[in-house]
Amino acid sequence: QLQLQESGPGLVKPSETLSLTCIVSGGSISSSSFYWGWIRQPPGKGLEWIGSIFYSGSTYYNPSLKSRVTMSLDTSKKQFSLKLTSVTAADTAVYYCARLYCSGANCFATRPHLDVWGKGTTVTVSA
Amino acid sequence: QSALTQPASVSGSPGQSITISCTGTSSDVGAYNYVSWYQQHPGKAPKLMIYDVSTRPSGVSDRFSGSKSGNTASLTISGLQAEDEAEYYCSSYTSSNSLVFGGGTKLTVL
Repeated sequence: QLQLQESGPGLVKPSETLSLTCIVSGGSISSSSFYWGWIRQPPGKGLEWIGSIFYSGSTYYNPSLKSRVTMSLDTSKKQFSLKLTSVTAADTAVYYCARLYCSGANCFATRPHLDVWGKGTTVTVSA
Repeated sequence: QSALTQPASVSGSPGQSITISCTGTSSDVGAYNYVSWYQQHPGKAPKLMIYDVSTRPSGVSDRFSGSKSGNTASLTISGLQAEDEAEYYCSSYTSSNSLVFGGGTKLTVL
């Protein structure tokens, strides 16, 4: 059964870069039927999609975060990563990694839904 | 991109049915049949309950159903049970090649 596990620092200083990794176990990271994504949830607030990446390296990012986000994927290590630059207190949140199922030649644009989630990791931005 | 609009809260008694609405625009909910719904219990990760507007993943109770009309999608839970008490989020694919979530709806089972 596919499992996802987030890891990374729980505390990041303002203006620095937040870096998280998600390890994929129990399944392939190289399938053409899935993207891999990050979603965050500030304390007491709703979910926000950050972005998604395909095993080929193709990415889609939330337009509101695009200038600060970089995602990468390492098929040999079965993991994908998130970097968010110039963080502020507003970036304090639980960060989830998730598998995004899709289908077809234009995968991300066809039937995208987040079917497997990690447990989440809390990141606090504070000096 | 703006979040989809959901009611902040809904409630119902055990055995009753409730419906949660999710209103978007002609660039997201209205344009694609790619609406999904997620259930989140406190302190837990979200769980996929409905995708492609009305499809249930394997293992999800058939008490959960989804529909869409125009720019508004809906999640209906019939035969409410205590374990259904949770936060529910809708999500849609958008014409900007992105995903957008709703603000979330807290379901209280009275």
